[in-house]
Amino acid sequence: NAGVTQTPKFQVLKTGQSMTLQCAQDMNHNSMYWYRQDPGMGLRLIYYSASEGTTDKGEVPNGYNVSRLNKREFSLRLESAAPSQTSVYFCASTGQTYGYTFGSGTRLTVV
Amino acid sequence: RKEVEQDPGPFNVPEGATVAFNCTYSNSASQSFFWYRQDCRKEPKLLMSVYSSGNEDGRFTAQLNRASQYISLLIRDSKLSDSATYLCVVRMDSSYKLIFGSGTRLLVRP
Repeated sequence: NAGVTQTPKFQVLKTGQSMTLQCAQDMNHNSMYWYRQDPGMGLRLIYYSASEGTTDKGEVPNGYNVSRLNKREFSLRLESAAPSQTSVYFCASTGQTYGYTFGSGTRLTVV
Repeated sequence: RKEVEQDPGPFNVPEGATVAFNCTYSNSASQSFFWYRQDCRKEPKLLMSVYSSGNEDGRFTAQLNRASQYISLLIRDSKLSDSATYLCVVRMDSSYKLIFGSGTRLLVRP
């Protein structure tokens, strides 16, 4: 039972490059989320998808786009990476119960 | 003002000590409350939910005061393995969005 799988685990980008962070869950959860975590800031919601076919902005959506490809997969895209996007990114999912299951995170550095 | 506020710590306590963490939230419409644990360079994991009547799970006790918009976590008989960051978390609406505090760091020393 893999839970939530994120790829890649680490990435270094140059300013202006683009990339997509992948997330997949095998728990048949309806809702999926992308958070970023910065020192002293806690986890901040970037985008979420309450159900397949819907996406909504969270607290810090600027500079990001998302795609809910199907029920299992929710990707996060950085079109033109900036140093301010250096962070740890977590994907999470939840079903009808209250708890979130998180992926192990992607550590992104933009130079 | 942050929606969920916690003392960042660190709390540095000896093994066997009792330690309490507090958290306040600003939105009175908040529906559900949780404590998550996050180890260094790992993902957050659900520790326990927080119910209005208070609830206990082994050495851990959580309390909620809706009138004061205050949540607490008490850890008794601290173990070295309790060293981690504890995140206070609030769910605001039916979309299941969670709002996280910045976390309180606990260090348990031998």
